[in-house]
Amino acid sequence: QVHLVQSESELKKPGASVNIACKPSGYTFSTYAINWMRQAPGQGPEWMGWIDTNTGTPTYAQGFTGRFVFSLDTSVTTAYLHITSLKAEDTAVYYCARDPKSAGYFDYWGQGTLVTVSS
Amino acid sequence: EIVMTQSPATLSVSPGERATLSCRASQSVSSGLAWYQQKPGQAPRLLIYDSSTRATGIPARFSGSGSGTEFTLTISSLQSEDFAVYYCQQCINWPHTFGQGTKLEIK
Repeated sequence: QVHLVQSESELKKPGASVNIACKPSGYTFSTYAINWMRQAPGQGPEWMGWIDTNTGTPTYAQGFTGRFVFSLDTSVTTAYLHITSLKAEDTAVYYCARDPKSAGYFDYWGQGTLVTVSS
Repeated sequence: EIVMTQSPATLSVSPGERATLSCRASQSVSSGLAWYQQKPGQAPRLLIYDSSTRATGIPARFSGSGSGTEFTLTISSLQSEDFAVYYCQQCINWPHTFGQGTKLEIK
């Protein structure tokens, strides 16, 4: 069956960077795009963008350009979210999710990675 | 960006009763609407896509309807495991925006 397994929670200081891994299993990695969402405490999810797992081409939502980078390592069939210059307002749970038909909805989600930014 | 507005923010319903949740889009999204259920400490779970198609493994008591700007999620007979937060999400335009959620609580 399909699973997306994310890396563990992180505690970072302001200005630091973080790398979140997302490893899908149960299907061919390059078949479906990986999307990233952020969910701040008590809020709904916020779509950050997606990466084409065939070409490695990322697309970022407005507000997630510059400090946020989506990437792939196809040798280990893993997607990554890299965030630099962390701020307190980046504190949130970050999710990866699969878009099964490039239709803009998400059928399988990772378990989430909590990133806490605090001095 | 398309703004998704859900109502009510909190809905109190007794087990066995019907729950009706609403979602409004700031502009037409045709049938490009999905619903998710989220329980504390868990990732969202896809319930409905294309406004009315149940995702794999979703019980028939969950149904979705609507098109354009007005959508409804109906849970016909609430089970204990259905008490959670529900989000709608539009799938048509980038960014794919979510509503702020409806918390379904036990009355």
